[in-house]
Amino acid sequence: GAGVSQSPSNKVTEKGKDVELRCDPISGHTALYWYRQRLGQGLEFLIYFQGNSAPDKSGLPSDRFSAERTGESVSTLTIQRTQQEDSAVYLCASSLALQGYGYTFGSGTRLTVV
Amino acid sequence: GQNIDQPTEMTATEGAIVQINCTYQTSGFNGLFWYQQHAGEAPTFLSYNVLDGLEEKGRFSSFLSRSKGYSYLLLKELQMKDSASYLCAPLRGYQKVTFGTGTKLQVIP
Repeated sequence: GAGVSQSPSNKVTEKGKDVELRCDPISGHTALYWYRQRLGQGLEFLIYFQGNSAPDKSGLPSDRFSAERTGESVSTLTIQRTQQEDSAVYLCASSLALQGYGYTFGSGTRLTVV
Repeated sequence: GQNIDQPTEMTATEGAIVQINCTYQTSGFNGLFWYQQHAGEAPTFLSYNVLDGLEEKGRFSSFLSRSKGYSYLLLKELQMKDSASYLCAPLRGYQKVTFGTGTKLQVIP
């Protein structure tokens, strides 16, 4: 597609429920990233996928968080047993695997846990 | 590890010049990005510096000093639409970028 597409754009869920967020990267972009941004704060790295290599999961805050990506296509970020502190905007970005090539971000999913 | 320091907020006048500074301590440093983020929107790419010196791109310029762990973003001929947060983002290794908390710039008439 022309840009990075994320769905849903907004999600309200009850505490304790599981949620699944989806990211459709730009076609041909082998690198895909998930970041979290709490209100008024900076971007917090969560996970990075590069082609068929093992993902860099070093930013995932707990074992309630997991992400998958099939090849160089769609990625899903799953949060199990959501907590109120999970409320944030979850941003996905994709990039060519070239040093210095900027990221293109999606519009994000705003997650609210009530 | 990562340590990125930039001012939290700045205010500048329309038509003026503003410089947003960033200092960083990044292991495996491999260049530095600047991104712009308007309120409620996703960040957009502005610049990438890997060598020391100034890179100019229209009204925006970015400077890097690797030895000092220092970068700045220079915005000229400020416009109201430049009101946004500006994120300093060092590249670690090949493709891993860490974002600072950003400098919120307010442009006033």
